Amino acid sequence: TQLLEQSPQFLSIQEGENLTVYCNSSSVFSSLQWYRQEPGEGPVLLVTVVTGGEVKKLKRLTFQFGDARKDSSLHITAAQPGDTGLYLCAGGGSARQLTFGSGTQLTVLP
Amino acid sequence: EAGVAQSPRYKIIEKRQSVAFWCNPISGHATLYWYQQILGQGPKLLIQFQNNGVVDDSQLPKDRFSAERLKGVDSTLKIQPAKLEDSAVYLCASRKIQDAGHEQYFGPGTRLTVT
Repeated sequence: TQLLEQSPQFLSIQEGENLTVYCNSSSVFSSLQWYRQEPGEGPVLLVTVVTGGEVKKLKRLTFQFGDARKDSSLHITAAQPGDTGLYLCAGGGSARQLTFGSGTQLTVLP
Repeated sequence: EAGVAQSPRYKIIEKRQSVAFWCNPISGHATLYWYQQILGQGPKLLIQFQNNGVVDDSQLPKDRFSAERLKGVDSTLKIQPAKLEDSAVYLCASRKIQDAGHEQYFGPGTRLTVT
């Protein structure tokens, strides 16, 4: 069974601060996705990384896939209250299935 | 393009009652997934369909949960009888077969409370 562990589970920071969320596994994934989920909504895809060592930037968000394709990180620069939400990493496996991490609940205080 | 539609959005039932959820995927998306998301956790896959066939239902508690996608479009997920631990958000997602990656598009979910 493939498992993904996310840390931290909860994060509360002030507007303007930087933060990093980690997603770790002992399994290799063909791809790694990051989703953001807001209350009462389903997860929305932020990015997909597929190559070991790959780095992708989405405005103030930087995503990195580990060289061995077992781990990933999400870094947010100068966080804003609009970044508040549940951040989920998900590893792509066989049959086009996703294994989700347990999530990081981020709260950015104004 | 319309997104994944789910109904109802909220449902409160007593334990041992039955409940059904409905999902309409994005038009043209052959693959459909049902997930259970317990508060504070990530979504857990219950069942995956491709067209009207089941690809994987290994994590579906078949003694009380059932799902169908008879015409390869809409899908229903049923729980009978419900238990307290079934309280969760039930998410439906879909994707195109042609997509090379794993991207899935999620509906807003149905929040189930079992009392």
